[in-house]
Amino acid sequence: NAGVTQTPKFRVLKTGQSMTLLCAQDMNHEYMYWYRQDPGMGLRLIHYSVGEGTTAKGEVPDGYNVSRLKKQNFLLGLESAAPSQTSVYFCASSTTGPYGYTFGSGTRLTVV
Amino acid sequence: DQQVKQNSPSLSVQEGRISILNCDYTNSMFDYFLWYKKYPAEGPTFLISISSIKDKNEDGRFTVFLNKSAKHLSLHIVPSQPGDSAVYFCAARVNDYKLSFGAGTTVTVRA
Repeated sequence: NAGVTQTPKFRVLKTGQSMTLLCAQDMNHEYMYWYRQDPGMGLRLIHYSVGEGTTAKGEVPDGYNVSRLKKQNFLLGLESAAPSQTSVYFCASSTTGPYGYTFGSGTRLTVV
Repeated sequence: DQQVKQNSPSLSVQEGRISILNCDYTNSMFDYFLWYKKYPAEGPTFLISISSIKDKNEDGRFTVFLNKSAKHLSLHIVPSQPGDSAVYFCAARVNDYKLSFGAGTTVTVRA
């Protein structure tokens, strides 16, 4: 039972390059999220999805795009990476009810 | 504007003693509050939660207290153990799914 799987775990990008972070969950959860974690800032919501084919903006969506073509997958794209996007990215999924999120183990991204 | 605040970035406590972590919030519409624990190089994991209609929830060594009038909640860990050394995030939910997180408190349990 894998839960939430994120790939890759580490990546170094040059400014202006693009990449896609992959998130897959095997719990049949409706909701999926992308967060970034920065020192002193906690976890900030980038984008989220309430179901297959739907996406919505969170607190810090600029510079990112997302897609949820299949219920189990949620992709986060950076079209033109900037040093300010250096961060640890977490994907999470949830169902209804007060049980909170299941998080992936994170992707550490460095933009140089 | 951060709706959930953890004003203490770090806490050091001796093994066996109590750890108290604090969290303040501004949105009176939050209906559930949760605590997550995070070890280095891992994702956060759910620890304990409390509904806004309750003022206390206990699970083993972990107890969460909610003071709605003060918009304040706290997490008590008794007794603290070395394995409790981690970052703890306070989170709050305003609808059925979306959470707002605090900045986290790093707990170090000294032997």
